[in-house]
Amino acid sequence: AQKVTQAQTEISVVEKEDVTLDCVYETRDTTYYLFWYKQPPSGELVFLIRRNSFDEQNEISGRYSWNFQKSTSSFNFTITASQVVDSAVYFCALSEATQGGSEKLVFGKGTKLTVNP
Amino acid sequence: AAGVIQSPRHLIKEKRETATLKCYPIPRHDTVYWYQQGPGQDPQFLISFYEKMQSDKGSIPDRFSAQQFSDYHSELNMSSLELGDSALYFCASSFSGRGIHEQYFGPGTRLTVT
Repeated sequence: AQKVTQAQTEISVVEKEDVTLDCVYETRDTTYYLFWYKQPPSGELVFLIRRNSFDEQNEISGRYSWNFQKSTSSFNFTITASQVVDSAVYFCALSEATQGGSEKLVFGKGTKLTVNP
Repeated sequence: AAGVIQSPRHLIKEKRETATLKCYPIPRHDTVYWYQQGPGQDPQFLISFYEKMQSDKGSIPDRFSAQQFSDYHSELNMSSLELGDSALYFCASSFSGRGIHEQYFGPGTRLTVT
């Protein structure tokens, strides 16, 4: 079965510091999708990025960047020049095909990021 | 753009009561997923429906049931509520024609069982 590991339970940084959130996954599928979601204190799940297993290009979106490495089964997320508004729980997730034909997401335990002013 | 709608947003029930959560997927989406997120936990898959048929079940208690209706909205029915059912319940929808790979989440229903 698929598994997602986010070893960092909590991270605390000072504003403007860079921070990297680690994600390691396990899957037997050759085709799979990886995701990052942000969950602010208000509770909603905010989609950040989706990556398929054939696309190992790193991606940058503003202050966010993602490093996908199949060789190490990692999909790390970096926030540069962090801001207080980045404070949230961040979840890494992996898609898993189900017997019924749909797909479900398997989430890591999440990393709680606190950015202090 | 239309998003996934969940109602109610907050619900308070007592032990042994029944609760019904509703989910309205994005128009033209044919697949609905339910996830449960306990306090301080990650979301856990409960059940999914494709074209009004149940397609898969996760760790959903027998006290819970769900269905998808002809208009594609879905309802999660929870009976004999227990304190441990207090959680955030997310509904997500996707369109199978695009392959997965994109589940859009609703804002969640926060259920509190007292």
